[in-house]
Amino acid sequence: NAGVMQNPRHLVRRRGQEARLRCSPMKGHSHVYWYRQLPEEGLKFMVYLQKENIIDESGMPKERFSAEFPKEGPSILRIQQVVRGDSAAYFCASSAQGALGGNTEAFFGQGTRLTVV
Amino acid sequence: DQQVKQNSPSLSVQEGRISILNCDYTNSMFDYFLWYKKYPAEGPTFLISISSIKDKNEDGRFTVFLNKSAKHLSLHIVPSQPGDSAVYFCAAPRFNKFYFGSGTKLNVKP
Repeated sequence: NAGVMQNPRHLVRRRGQEARLRCSPMKGHSHVYWYRQLPEEGLKFMVYLQKENIIDESGMPKERFSAEFPKEGPSILRIQQVVRGDSAAYFCASSAQGALGGNTEAFFGQGTRLTVV
Repeated sequence: DQQVKQNSPSLSVQEGRISILNCDYTNSMFDYFLWYKKYPAEGPTFLISISSIKDKNEDGRFTVFLNKSAKHLSLHIVPSQPGDSAVYFCAAPRFNKFYFGSGTKLNVKP
């Protein structure tokens, strides 16, 4: 399966712990996006990355959240000192071209469901 | 600032009939639009797209219509099947992100 791979599918963390979510884009895709979906809500943009660069992090909370897409390996979304409000589904998507000018599709992974207890 | 809007949170349709899902946008710079389908506990899957140079794109039972002057697009599913029951999102890629509507939950009754 050459699709977008996210792991883990489910993650349970206690308040104050760190959550680390991984995303491997589709083969040949160098553009990665992270979205968050809170219960009963839509998809909210968090961050857009290319290899080794954060291009747009306008949707990411300024504190406790960080993302990276290293030269080798998957993209990582890191949430430090998690709180109950971080409980959500986190989706990663990748595209062959950037979304700067349109005419491109994003393909999503299955998501990581984070539960903070 | 919701630049892509889906004003109907839910839609219920009888099997075999047409489902029409609507989407409006505010930014005239959007020139490409996508529809995604999402089942519970799964990621969104790409369904169909349309470029602003067209006003219609068809793929099997799915047709997307674009009205640029009204900044409106719609997804038609004919005939609707119970397996089409899911949440449908419209989206537009621009400015380093994909802008998503809030989704419409379609229920196709057998």
